[in-house]
Amino acid sequence: GAGVSQSPRYKVAKRGQDVALRCDPISGHVSLFWYQQALGQGPEFLTYFQNEAQLDKSGLPSDRFFAERPEGSVSTLKIQRTQQEDSAVYLCASSLSTTYEQYFGPGTRLTVT
Amino acid sequence: ELKVEQNPLFLSMQEGKNYTIYCNYSTTSDRLYWYRQDPGKSLESLFVLLSNGAVKQEGRLMASLDTKARLSTLHITAAVHDLSATYFCAVCRFFSGSRLTFGEGTQLTVNP
Repeated sequence: GAGVSQSPRYKVAKRGQDVALRCDPISGHVSLFWYQQALGQGPEFLTYFQNEAQLDKSGLPSDRFFAERPEGSVSTLKIQRTQQEDSAVYLCASSLSTTYEQYFGPGTRLTVT
Repeated sequence: ELKVEQNPLFLSMQEGKNYTIYCNYSTTSDRLYWYRQDPGKSLESLFVLLSNGAVKQEGRLMASLDTKARLSTLHITAAVHDLSATYFCAVCRFFSGSRLTFGEGTQLTVNP
């Protein structure tokens, strides 16, 4: 079966633009996580969904970041008015449920110029 | 706040040598993971360690967990160039929704 997919794989945005990053989890996976990985760092938690419910958004760095998963499958991470410090790789992971292993997608590399 | 620390952060070693990467974490955890990341790639799961004393081995890599010391190790035996990558440990706590808290990563370079 297919793994976690993310699109686009690369995104260049000018400062101030809005961007939307998509994550397609493994079919049947209830839990979905977003992480941000800055260059040379480990991934950091952003937010987490159980089905369509966003149960934890404590890692979102500012109110410019917004995530949704309206039908409990595909998720979108939206960043409004991008800033240079938003440049990073955004990783999506899914799992059967919270106590199961997370499987990571290939990531979206966002560069804000 | 849960903190995860790895050392060393950079490791350059010769083929055929042995070495150990250490991962310390600050509070109790439910699971500990080791991942490999190649440049420009995503995370590849290597090991999941569930309980105190757990030891898992795959090829030249062996991971262990001491929950009392809050320490995990990743031991490399007779390193080969193909093992060059960045290795992350990550800790999971179920009560926090199973979010993963990662260490800073250890960048391993194996020289011929």
